[in-house]
Amino acid sequence: EVQLVQSGGDLVQPGGSLRLSCAASGFIFSNYWMTWVRQAPGKGLEWVANINQDGSQKYYMESVKGRLTISRDNAKNSLFLQMNSLRAEDTAVYYCSRGGGSGDYWGQGTLVTVSS
Amino acid sequence: DIVMTQTPLSSPVTLGQPASISCRSSQSVVSSDGNTYLNWLQQRPGQPPRLLIHQISKRFSGVPDRFSGSGAGTDFTLKISSVEAEDVGVYYCMQATQFPRTFGQGTKVEIK
Repeated sequence: EVQLVQSGGDLVQPGGSLRLSCAASGFIFSNYWMTWVRQAPGKGLEWVANINQDGSQKYYMESVKGRLTISRDNAKNSLFLQMNSLRAEDTAVYYCSRGGGSGDYWGQGTLVTVSS
Repeated sequence: DIVMTQTPLSSPVTLGQPASISCRSSQSVVSSDGNTYLNWLQQRPGQPPRLLIHQISKRFSGVPDRFSGSGAGTDFTLKISSVEAEDVGVYYCMQATQFPRTFGQGTKVEIK
């Protein structure tokens, strides 16, 4: 069974940092692109970043470039999102998903709140 | 960026009746490989999104056949042939043809 289990969400002050994790199981992780998507409270879905199978290709939404970094550890079947210089507008539930498009399997989501 | 526009934004439906959601892209979402990476997702209240349809009309594993997708180029439609109570939620179209990936605003389906 494909599973994506997320962790790392928290309350953080503006300008702070956070690292989100997504642990994959039930499939060959190194064969798939992976995606982060976020959803601000009461709002729609917003694509954040993609990474290819070996981590050599990464794509980001414009407003997070230079602040958020997607990475992966294929030996540990894990996807990460390093979040630096966080802003109030980064407050959202962050989802990881399998695939380079909309994703066929999704994690449960983890809440990041940026507030003083 | 490709802008995805959904209509309507809200769709009250009677149980057992059909529902239809339209999605229009600001430019063609046909990829250089000839495929059209237009997907539909469902998000039930309090749940993560779930993939329903990929590449315009291909139902994902386990998706009931009352859901169908159609369209081409810049105009796409998701249809529910007979709405059930479990179909309540927000539906999103999304293009995965080019970066940045972009979603429609979402269409809320509720029971009258």
